[in-house]
Amino acid sequence: GEDVEQSLFLSVREGDSSVINCTYTDSSSTYLYWYKQEPGAGLQLLTYIFSNMDMKQDQRLTVLLNKKDKHLSLRIADTQTGDSAIYFCAASPTGANNLFFGTGTRLTVIP
Amino acid sequence: DVKVTQSSRYLVKRTGEKVFLECVQDMDHENMFWYRQDPGLGLRLIYFSYDVKMKEKGDIPEGYSVSREKKERFSLILESASTNQTSMYLCASSSFGLAGGAGREQFFGPGTRLTVL
Repeated sequence: GEDVEQSLFLSVREGDSSVINCTYTDSSSTYLYWYKQEPGAGLQLLTYIFSNMDMKQDQRLTVLLNKKDKHLSLRIADTQTGDSAIYFCAASPTGANNLFFGTGTRLTVIP
Repeated sequence: DVKVTQSSRYLVKRTGEKVFLECVQDMDHENMFWYRQDPGLGLRLIYFSYDVKMKEKGDIPEGYSVSREKKERFSLILESASTNQTSMYLCASSSFGLAGGAGREQFFGPGTRLTVL
């Protein structure tokens, strides 16, 4: 099955950019997602990218997809303390009803 | 807005008890999922269901069972709770994916933090 990997921790200073990286193994993944989980809460979809795109921008968020290397990244510009959370990358391989999640990256924003 | 609700936010049970975790979604989604979340391990899929009375084992089904008698409701059952089942349990639902939409985006409930003593 699909294997999705992320680093566990990232710390940045308030106002800096954050970049969270993710790799996946199944090249048939048609959609790739970024979810955010705030403390004590469930996951909420932050953004997604379709596999025929290289980049998607949504306000402070930029998603980059390198299909050749099976690498996905989420860039958060002007990171704020409210961005402190766990960020999960997820992939949706063709034919699968479920998503495959990474371990999550805990982003800590230092004031 | 899609809403996924879980019966309890916090639950404390004793070893050996039978535990029911309930999940309800209001968007007529075909797929429903149960995950457990542990620090450093991310989300691990326990079971999922793509239709009423249908179920599929995920990555860690041992010690769990599920029930889906109605489309909107998916229950997770711990037949005899053990301390290693102390965890955060997350329920999610999704449709089969509509063209032009976000594919098989999953919508999550708030989670149930289960402690087994």
